[in-house]
Amino acid sequence: GQNIDQPTEMTATEGAIVQINCTYQTSGFNGLFWYQQHAGEAPTFLSYNVLDGLEEKGRFSSFLSRSKGYSYLLLKELQMKDSASYLCAVMDSNYQLIWGAGTKLIIKP
Amino acid sequence: DAGITQSPRHKVTETGTPVTLRCHQTENHRYMYWYRQDPGHGLRLIHYSYGVKDTDKGEVSDGYSVSRSKTEDFLLTLESATSSQTSVYFCAISESGFRRSYEQYFGPGTRLTVT
Repeated sequence: GQNIDQPTEMTATEGAIVQINCTYQTSGFNGLFWYQQHAGEAPTFLSYNVLDGLEEKGRFSSFLSRSKGYSYLLLKELQMKDSASYLCAVMDSNYQLIWGAGTKLIIKP
Repeated sequence: DAGITQSPRHKVTETGTPVTLRCHQTENHRYMYWYRQDPGHGLRLIHYSYGVKDTDKGEVSDGYSVSRSKTEDFLLTLESATSSQTSVYFCAISESGFRRSYEQYFGPGTRLTVT
């Protein structure tokens, strides 16, 4: 079956760095997405990786290793507004998105 | 922000009644999707559309039907609502569909409660 695993919840301190991991097993691979979702709101796109390596976008970076079925989202200089759920999704061989259950990130002052 | 609206935003209905949710976009994107989101689960695809009158089933399509008579509108119908269909429903659109890297943009969601 297809499976996306990510931690349920993480806690970090304002100003620090946090890494949210995502491992996947899917039938085929056509890219990995990270989305941010604040409570009660819609998911919003953060990043897309289809090749191995690190993609940096401001305070957020996303890494992919296709051979290991592994990705992480790195958030630097954490701010209180980064408190949200972070969703990992993989596009499979049928070009459908398979979603993880999300990681709730709690930022403490 | 992509122009996507959903209506209604909140609805409470009784078991056995039909319910229709509407998604409207102003972006002229070809692909539209309906997802449901439940605690402890990832977003799950219900149905999607790749053009006017062209739709296909997703992972959790039982009990749901869809229609797309215009590019801008995608309707989700619960034929006879059940308590298991209590959920938050999100509509999403994408520019070029599955075969490109373009991300999906989400509407604000509809919170449906079936009593």
